[in-house]
Amino acid sequence: EIVLTQSPGTLSLSPGERATLSCRASQSVSSSYLAWYQQKPGQAPRLLIYGASSRATGIPDRFSGSGSGTDFTLTISRLEPEDFAVYYCQQYGSSPLHTFGQGTKLEIK
Amino acid sequence: QLQLQESGPGLVKPSETLSLTCTVSGGSISSSSYYWGWIRQPPGKGLEWIGSIYYSGSTYYNPSLKSRVTISVDTSKNQFSLKLSSVTAADTAVYYCARRAPIYFYMDVWGKGTTVTVSS
Repeated sequence: EIVLTQSPGTLSLSPGERATLSCRASQSVSSSYLAWYQQKPGQAPRLLIYGASSRATGIPDRFSGSGSGTDFTLTISRLEPEDFAVYYCQQYGSSPLHTFGQGTKLEIK
Repeated sequence: QLQLQESGPGLVKPSETLSLTCTVSGGSISSSSYYWGWIRQPPGKGLEWIGSIYYSGSTYYNPSLKSRVTISVDTSKNQFSLKLSSVTAADTAVYYCARRAPIYFYMDVWGKGTTVTVSS
């Protein structure tokens, strides 16, 4: 069973700063099948990045994804107030078919 | 614009069966290459994929829940459903339905979620 470990658990930053979120897999994941989601309190997750580095429709270009194999990164280049939320990575392919990381909470410092 | 809406009881007794339905509007559940799935989120915790179904009825389940889960589809009503048997307090969660896109297999459209509490 594949496990996705996200770090840090909580990231405290100020608006305007750069955020770097990590997602590490217990075994290799195809870059095509790595996605990132944003979730705000009381809301459903929203797709940000798919295929490790492709932005979903309507996602601002301050969001970018990178990585391959077992190490993936979500970067927010310049934080806006609306970016403070919980972020999840997700893989497809290894059992179970879809696995989510435990999440990184991005909070205002 | 495609929308998904979960519906079902908000309270289920322990040992009983949880039943939820997801209604798809603004598009067809029979769209080629799209799977339809259920994901849950216990209070204050992360996301867990439960299972997915194709309009033909082909299903995939999370092995950790497979013995208790049944997902079905009703194309005439543009709906798919979740049944989870022998529930316990650990099954208390927000349950989301979502569409899984082809090729890259991400969840691109989500319902708003429905809270299910397991309690006597």
